[in-house]
Amino acid sequence: GAGVSQSPRYKVAKRGQDVALRCDPISGHVSLFWYQQALGQGPEFLTYFQNEAQLDKSGLPSDRFFAERPEGSVSTLKIQRTQQEDSAVYLCASSIRPPRVGGLTYEQYFGPGTRLTVT
Amino acid sequence: KNEVEQSPQNLTAQEGEFITINCSYSVGISALHWLQQHPGGGIVSLFMLSSRKKKHGRLIATINIQEKHSSLHITASHPRDSAVYICAVPRIGTDKLIFGTGTRLQVFP
Repeated sequence: GAGVSQSPRYKVAKRGQDVALRCDPISGHVSLFWYQQALGQGPEFLTYFQNEAQLDKSGLPSDRFFAERPEGSVSTLKIQRTQQEDSAVYLCASSIRPPRVGGLTYEQYFGPGTRLTVT
Repeated sequence: KNEVEQSPQNLTAQEGEFITINCSYSVGISALHWLQQHPGGGIVSLFMLSSRKKKHGRLIATINIQEKHSSLHITASHPRDSAVYICAVPRIGTDKLIFGTGTRLQVFP
């Protein structure tokens, strides 16, 4: 079956340009996550959706970053007025449902990532 | 101090060697993930474990909840095992993962 897909795989943007990164999660997965991975670092959490609701956006680095998931499936991460420090791999992951009461968590399935380079 | 720390940062091995990668964490968790990342960025989940030990083929993952430590072992390593291996834990009650910085493994023929 299809996994998580992301597009584009690579994006080069000039400083100041707006970009939109797309994530198609596994069909039926309730939870969707965006992570940012700078070169040589581990990924860092950006934002989390449960269906169409954005429940946590504490990791978004500035108000230039905006994410949406209007119908509870496909999600878009938008970065306005890109800066060089935005250069990173942006990873999307989905899981079948949110954690259970008591904290039992579910496996996350990752997409291939979008490598954004801001020049 | 990072909440999730891995060692070593870099590891080279000859084909056939037994590999161990370590992960220590300081937060309360419900499970721990071991992930593999190949050049190009894509991440594959290897294990999600919450108690003692799991095995898939040549990969073995162990966890000691009391000591807040996990290890990933690769037996009979092969050049195709060359990748970055990342340990990640969810904050308890959430799925929000906290990642280690990864261990870069290179296996030479």
